[in-house]
Amino acid sequence: GAGVSQSPRYKVAKRGQDVALRCDPISGHVSLFWYQQALGQGPEFLTYFQNEAQLDKSGLPSDRFFAERPEGSVSTLKIQRTQQEDSAVYLCASLLGGSPNTEAFFGQGTRLTVV
Amino acid sequence: GQNIDQPTEMTATEGAIVQINCTYQTSGFNGLFWYQQHAGEAPTFLSYNVLDGLEEKGRFSSFLSRSKGYSYLLLKELQMKDSASYLCAVNSGNTPLVFGKGTRLSVIA
Repeated sequence: GAGVSQSPRYKVAKRGQDVALRCDPISGHVSLFWYQQALGQGPEFLTYFQNEAQLDKSGLPSDRFFAERPEGSVSTLKIQRTQQEDSAVYLCASLLGGSPNTEAFFGQGTRLTVV
Repeated sequence: GQNIDQPTEMTATEGAIVQINCTYQTSGFNGLFWYQQHAGEAPTFLSYNVLDGLEEKGRFSSFLSRSKGYSYLLLKELQMKDSASYLCAVNSGNTPLVFGKGTRLSVIA
């Protein structure tokens, strides 16, 4: 595709519900990042893939958060038993190479609201 | 640990010059990025510095001093459309592309 695509754009979940957020990176991009962005804050790193390998998941806030990229392209971020503090915009970014010394391209994000 | 600091908010006048500072303390360093983010939109790339010195790109310039753990983004001839958040991000090697909290810039007439 022309850019990074995320779906859904908006998600309202009841507390305790499981959600799955999808990221379609730019075709051929090796690296993929997930970030959580609260209102008025910078993006907080969650996890990072090179191809299908999850190289760093140190930013995942709890074991309720899980990310995968099984075929090295599309990635899914899953949040189990959502809590109100999970409400945020979830951003996905991809870049061509294995190390970010070039431009990372961001999707429009998924705005998650937990009620 | 990693620490990236930027001022929270700045205000500047249309047509003026503004400098947004970023200091960082990271376990490694493989480059520093600046991104622009308009409200409700995705961040977009502005600049990348890996060596000391000034990189100029049109109205925007970015400076890096690795020994001081310091960078700044310089915006010249400010326009109203430059009102946005400016995000400093570091590739520390261990955790690529870690962002600061961002600086919200308001350009006033």
